[in-house]
Amino acid sequence: AQKITQTQPGMFVQEKEAVTLDCTYDTSDPSYGLFWYKQPSSGEMIFLIYQGSYDQQNATEGRYSLNFQKARKSANLVISASQLGDSAMYFCAMRSQGNLIFGKGTKLSVKP
Amino acid sequence: EAGVAQSPRYKIIEKRQSVAFWCNPISGHATLYWYQQILGQGPKLLIQFQNNGVVDDSQLPKDRFSAERLKGVDSTLKIQPAKLEDSAVYLCASSLVPTGTGGLRYGELFFGEGSRLTVL
Repeated sequence: AQKITQTQPGMFVQEKEAVTLDCTYDTSDPSYGLFWYKQPSSGEMIFLIYQGSYDQQNATEGRYSLNFQKARKSANLVISASQLGDSAMYFCAMRSQGNLIFGKGTKLSVKP
Repeated sequence: EAGVAQSPRYKIIEKRQSVAFWCNPISGHATLYWYQQILGQGPKLLIQFQNNGVVDDSQLPKDRFSAERLKGVDSTLKIQPAKLEDSAVYLCASSLVPTGTGGLRYGELFFGEGSRLTVL
């Protein structure tokens, strides 16, 4: 069965510092994709970054990078130079042959 | 480019009443999804359409939930009769290609702002 686990219900980070949000996954499919979405209080899910299971390099998108450790089945999101606007819920998601499944999310709060 | 549009944004009803949510996907997106997001949880897929056909509705409570996408563009999700546990945000998403087509990356989902349902 496919599963996404986010073990951090909430995280605090000081503005301008880096933060890592944890995500582990479980699948028996060799081909899969890992996604991170941001959900601000407005409710919309905003795509941040994607990592394919066969990608050789870790994905990066601006201040976002994905620390992909395939053997450990982890896909942690790293946000560098945190900003106040980064305060939101963050969801890790995975898709192989089926639909996109989500973890329970991590609430990130950025302190000024 | 216009995003995924949903309405209403908020709805409060009493249990056993009915409610309908509307979604208009991004123009040209063939695949449309309805997700249910209960407070404190990640979104859960209810139904996936490819054009006007259903691809996956395995997690849709069919005794009370129904959805349609008659012309392969906009879609309606209905709940009748509503229960207290249906209180959630209903998210609509669309993608250019369906799951597994053209590479997983190209099946990226774009979400609307959601419709928040409160059942009293």
